[in-house]
Order: sequence, then structure tokens, then C-alpha cells
Amino acid sequence: NAGVTQTPKFRVLKTGQSMTLLCAQDMNHEYMYWYRQDPGMGLRLIHYSVGEGTTAKGEVPDGYNVSRLKKQNFLLGLESAAPSQTSVYFCASRYVAGGVRDEKLFFGSGTQLSVL
Amino acid sequence: SQQGEEDPQALSIQEGENATMNCSYKTSINNLQWYRQNSGRGLVHLILIRSNEREKHSGRLRVTLDTSKKSSSLLITASRAADTASYFCATDVHGNKLVFGAGTILRVKS
Repeated sequence: NAGVTQTPKFRVLKTGQSMTLLCAQDMNHEYMYWYRQDPGMGLRLIHYSVGEGTTAKGEVPDGYNVSRLKKQNFLLGLESAAPSQTSVYFCASRYVAGGVRDEKLFFGSGTQLSVL
Repeated sequence: SQQGEEDPQALSIQEGENATMNCSYKTSINNLQWYRQNSGRGLVHLILIRSNEREKHSGRLRVTLDTSKKSSSLLITASRAADTASYFCATDVHGNKLVFGAGTILRVKS
């Protein structure tokens, strides 16, 4: 049971390049989230999804897009990377089924992204 | 803006001492959770306290919640070097998402 897996673990981009971060969970969780973590600012929610085919904006969505085509995968895309997007990105998932919701989040190990 | 604010930003104690971290938040909540993050790793859930609860225990962890003051505290008793990590509070406001604070960095010296 792998839990929440993020790929890649590290990436360096040049300004203007694009990339996609992949999050996969094998726990059959309904909800999935993308956060970014910057020094001194904790985690800030970028986008989230409450089910396959649905996405919603979080606190800092600008410059990012997401897709949830399959229940187990949540993709985060940067269309034109900027230095301000240098950060550590975390994916998380949450169990919801039949009206029962587990309140806690399960996190991946993160992706360190540097934009030069 | 951050919903939760932890205090202190950093805490350094000796092994065996107790560590107390505080969290303040701004709006009404469904529950408040505490997470731990070891260096270079993802966050791990520690404990949850619901808005109608005042205190909760789990092993060496004790969490209190004061909804009138919109604050919570996390107490780690008899700390160990392995407790060295960052600790975050997170508030569940609307039921779909958690909002995290900036965290407290705890260092336990052996």
C-alpha cells in the first residue's frame, strides 16, 4: 500500500517552461488536494477536487491548472512557470464514501520545484 | 490570509521537557487538527479535536480547544529527540478543505 505518491520528487525549470506534477493515491479516496509550502508561510491550498471530473480553486490558484480524469490521479499543471512558483508542492487525499468523511488528510512526500 | 497562526514560530527544549505550541484562528470551525512534518517529508496527521470538544489526549499528546478565544494548544509531554519536527495546526471551516497555519519548529536537544 503506497498511499499518496508524487512524481517527480525534484524538478528545475526555466521561466516560461511548462510541466505537470502527478499525484496518485491507492486508497480509493474521493477528495484530493494540491498545496504549496513556502518558508514561513505554511501550506497554502492551490486547487482541490471532491471527486472524479470535478475541481475547485483554493487560496492561490493563479498560474496553475488541475485535472482529475481518474479518481486515483490528480494532476497539477504549470503552463508558463515563473520564479514565484519556486516552492515545495504537496498532494494530499481524504477518505469520503457514502456520506462518511474521514477528516484527516494523507500527504505525499512532496515535489521540490525550482524555477530559474 | 492564513486561518491559523502558530505561536511560537520556533521552540528549543531539552529532552524530557514538555513542549507547548499554540494556534489561533479567525473564523468558526468544524474541527481543528494538528500535523507533524519531519524535515524533507510530507505532513502526518497527529490528532483532531472537534468544535464541541475541549480537550483530547493521544499518547504523549494533549490538545485543548477554546472556541470562545478561537485558540488551541498542543502539548507534547516528556519530549524526545525524535519529536524534533515542524508542527502545524489546520482548521476545517467549510468541510471540504483544511487551512494550515505557518507552523512551529520544535527542536528537542538530547
